[in-house]
Amino acid sequence: AQKVTQAQTEISVVEKEDVTLDCVYETRDTTYYLFWYKQPPSGELVFLIRRNSFDEQNEISGRYSWNFQKSTSSFNFTITASQVVDSAVYFCALSDEYGGSQGNLIFGKGTKLSVKP
Amino acid sequence: DTGVSQNPRHKITKRGQNVTFRCDPISEHNRLYWYRQTLGQGPEFLTYFQNEAQLEKSRLLSDRFSAERPKGSFSTLEIQRTEQGDSAMYLCASKEGGNEQFFGPGTRLTVL
Repeated sequence: AQKVTQAQTEISVVEKEDVTLDCVYETRDTTYYLFWYKQPPSGELVFLIRRNSFDEQNEISGRYSWNFQKSTSSFNFTITASQVVDSAVYFCALSDEYGGSQGNLIFGKGTKLSVKP
Repeated sequence: DTGVSQNPRHKITKRGQNVTFRCDPISEHNRLYWYRQTLGQGPEFLTYFQNEAQLEKSRLLSDRFSAERPKGSFSTLEIQRTEQGDSAMYLCASKEGGNEQFFGPGTRLTVL
C-alpha cells in the first residue's frame, strides 16, 4: 500500500532561520511522482514541486530546496532564511501515475510551519 | 484568472439534508479529482473523472455520495442525507495529462 508520513506535526521558527520539513513515503511501484503542496491560512493548496522517481537530483528554487533520496524513501523540503509569509501547512504527496493511470494523490498529514518575526 | 473554481465556498446544513457542490476545472484539463479534507489531516481522494467518465471511486465514497461530470467540463458532488461526519472541506483539482494537479479553494461543509 502507498503511504506518506510527515512525522513533524508542527514546527515553529524565528524569521531568517532555515527549516527542513521531512517526508518519508512507501510504495511498491517502481515509477511514481512525489509532490509538495503549500496550504496557507486561506485554504487553497498551492503546488510547489513535482519529482519523478527516476530523477534524484536535488532541486533549488529561490529559498526552497528539495532533497530526494530513493535509498531512504525520503523527499525532504528545506526553506532557507524563512519569512513570515512561509507560515502555512505543507503537504507531501505521492502519486502512482506514470503514463495513463489515474494519478490520484496520497497525502501526508501535513506539517504546520509557523514563522515568527 | 482561469484557475479551478468551486461553489459555494461555505455550506451549512442540517443533518439529513442533501447538498450539492460544483467544481469548474481549468478549461483544457481533461482530468478532475475530488478530495475531502478534515481538520488536521491531509486531503483524501474521493473520486476521479477523465472527461465525462468516472474512472475511480474511493471506499470513502459511500452510497450517499454521487459525483457527475456530464459534459466533461464542470463536475458536481452531491451528498444525500448528510451526517455530522460529512463535515469537512471538499476540494476539487484538475490536471492535463501527466502534469501536476491544480486545486480549487474548496467548499467547507458544516453539518449541524
